Amino acid sequence: AQSVTQLDSQVPVFEEAPVELRCNYSSSVSVYLFWYVQYPNQGLQLLLKYLSGSTLVKGINGFEAEFNKSQTSFHLRKPSVHISDTAEYFCAVTGSNYKLTFGKGTLLTVNP
Amino acid sequence: GAVVSQHPSWVICKSGTSVKIECRSLDFQATTMFWYRQFPKQSLMLMATSNEGSKATYEQGVEKDKFLINHASLTLSTLTVTSAHPEDSSFYICSAPPTGKNEQYFGPGTRLTVT
Repeated sequence: AQSVTQLDSQVPVFEEAPVELRCNYSSSVSVYLFWYVQYPNQGLQLLLKYLSGSTLVKGINGFEAEFNKSQTSFHLRKPSVHISDTAEYFCAVTGSNYKLTFGKGTLLTVNP
Repeated sequence: GAVVSQHPSWVICKSGTSVKIECRSLDFQATTMFWYRQFPKQSLMLMATSNEGSKATYEQGVEKDKFLINHASLTLSTLTVTSAHPEDSSFYICSAPPTGKNEQYFGPGTRLTVT
């Protein structure tokens, strides 16, 4: 069985500050890891994914994440956030069956 | 590329009626699609896996007779909420991985309100 823990339910930051959204996972098999963003009343948009290869993954909108197998983590980072980054962020894991298991989400609020 | 659409985006229905939600992959084929339910300020809960040409697989606790799923083609899956009640009000989202790829693309969601 797989599970995902997003350690922070809410993260408030000021504009242009750096941010890290934390995600830990557990799985008994090889995993594929994803970060999605959801704006109010919309579906999910893929930010980035780790399938294999380099552990540092770059995504859209200036986000990046690092896969750390020993710490079973996949934290999301952005060096300088904008007001428009305010949204809900979901970390997710899947195995070979393509079924996604989501974390509970982290609400990122960027204040001016 | 990799666009998934849902229709309708928003629907209000009366208690006891049925509502059909469509999920389409617009520029790729998907032998499998997934249906999720999301309550306000909560994460997505997987309801079922829709398989083209065969029966859907439901997650534990999801009533298969209430949430009918049909995957009629490689680009279309439908979710029918039968005899809807106010507690079925929710945001329903579908997703689809392009065949052979382990990444999913999500539809924009359907807001169902049952009065």
